[in-house]
Amino acid sequence: DAGVIQSPRHEVTEMGQEVTLRCKPISGHDYLFWYRQTMMRGLELLIYFNNNVPIDDSGMPEDRFSAKMPNASFSTLKIQPSEPRDSAVYFCASSLALAGVGTDTQYFGPGTRLTVL
Amino acid sequence: DQQVKQNSPSLSVQEGRISILNCDYTNSMFDYFLWYKKYPAEGPTFLISISSIKDKNEDGRFTVFLNKSAKHLSLHIVPSQPGDSAVYFCAAKGSYIPTFGRGTSLIVHP
Repeated sequence: DAGVIQSPRHEVTEMGQEVTLRCKPISGHDYLFWYRQTMMRGLELLIYFNNNVPIDDSGMPEDRFSAKMPNASFSTLKIQPSEPRDSAVYFCASSLALAGVGTDTQYFGPGTRLTVL
Repeated sequence: DQQVKQNSPSLSVQEGRISILNCDYTNSMFDYFLWYKKYPAEGPTFLISISSIKDKNEDGRFTVFLNKSAKHLSLHIVPSQPGDSAVYFCAAKGSYIPTFGRGTSLIVHP
């Protein structure tokens, strides 16, 4: 398996523009997570899905952020409108389960580095 | 408020010596702890974990120690190698979703 795939790897945009980040989880994984990494807050969970259904979006910072998972192999994180404080690295991760020895291990994608000017 | 704290943003160690990365947590409901390693331009990868029923778990050069009374865990790397240079994230689970710290950047000098 190619692992978790994210695109684009880098995104530079101007304030006010819409940004869409994409993720393809590992095949067969039932859970998908979106994280944001910043120097100040480290790795923060934004939202996670189980079998394509959003379970907990309490980490989504504002209504400007939205995430979808239309099928088991694709998810998007959208920011509209984007702001400079959204600049961060956004990671997608997937896992087989939430609990269980070995099965709850999260596998991360390489991340998307977002810069909002 | 950070429930998982990695108070040292960076650590520099000479090759062959021991690296000790520390992590403190505040939530007594956490019962499972993990360390992830992250190289530049890559996502974090799982390294080692420990359940709260244990106080030590070892995997090759990597050992994690847990002190529940102090709400403290540490990752020991012996001997350290230049390839260990990376950012190390501590994470803790109480429910199903891990809470991550800010990370510690380890640099191992040849």
